[in-house]
Amino acid sequence: AQSVTQLDSQVPVFEEAPVELRCNYSSSVSVYLFWYVQYPNQGLQLLLKYLSGSTLVKGINGFEAEFNKSQTSFHLRKPSVHISDTAEYFCAVSEQNYGQNFVFGPGTRLSVLP
Amino acid sequence: EAQVTQNPRYLITVTGKKLTVTCSQNMNHEYMSWYRQDPGLGLRQIYYSMNVEVTDKGDVPEGYKVSRKEKRNFPLILESPSPNQTSLYFCASSHRGRGTEAFFGQGTRLTVV
Repeated sequence: AQSVTQLDSQVPVFEEAPVELRCNYSSSVSVYLFWYVQYPNQGLQLLLKYLSGSTLVKGINGFEAEFNKSQTSFHLRKPSVHISDTAEYFCAVSEQNYGQNFVFGPGTRLSVLP
Repeated sequence: EAQVTQNPRYLITVTGKKLTVTCSQNMNHEYMSWYRQDPGLGLRQIYYSMNVEVTDKGDVPEGYKVSRKEKRNFPLILESPSPNQTSLYFCASSHRGRGTEAFFGQGTRLTVV
């Protein structure tokens, strides 16, 4: 079984400041890692994913994440946030051998302040 | 446009009155699933389907039913809703295969009084 922890339930940050949203996971098998974003009153959409290869993954809207196997982490970063980045962010994992079933973290609400 | 469509978007119902939330995708995806989203808990999987006529329980299946008679549709049925099923529900679909992205519907906000 897998579990995903997002240590910060809420992160307020000023516009143009950098941000890091933390994600740690636990799994007895190898997993793929994902970050999804949920804008207000919308469904989730994929920001980025790590399957294999380079541990630094770049996604949409200037976000990137780094996979750290020894620390079982997959933190999301953006060097300069915009008001439009205000949303809820979910880290998720899926088993490499099984594929489609996701286990999601509880989410981090990012609020970008003017 | 590729999309997952859920209906209705909002629903208020009374305890015990059967309801169905529909989900349809136009991407010819084999895999479909239902999640519920509750504050502080993230998304939890209710049921999933690997293909037509193949369904299985997720992490929180109690009180729900599903069916997959056609590839594009995956309705969620609450035979006798209870207040603890008040939640935000999402349908998702994806191609089979390792590491594939899931596409989500807009969500259905259900209130059971």
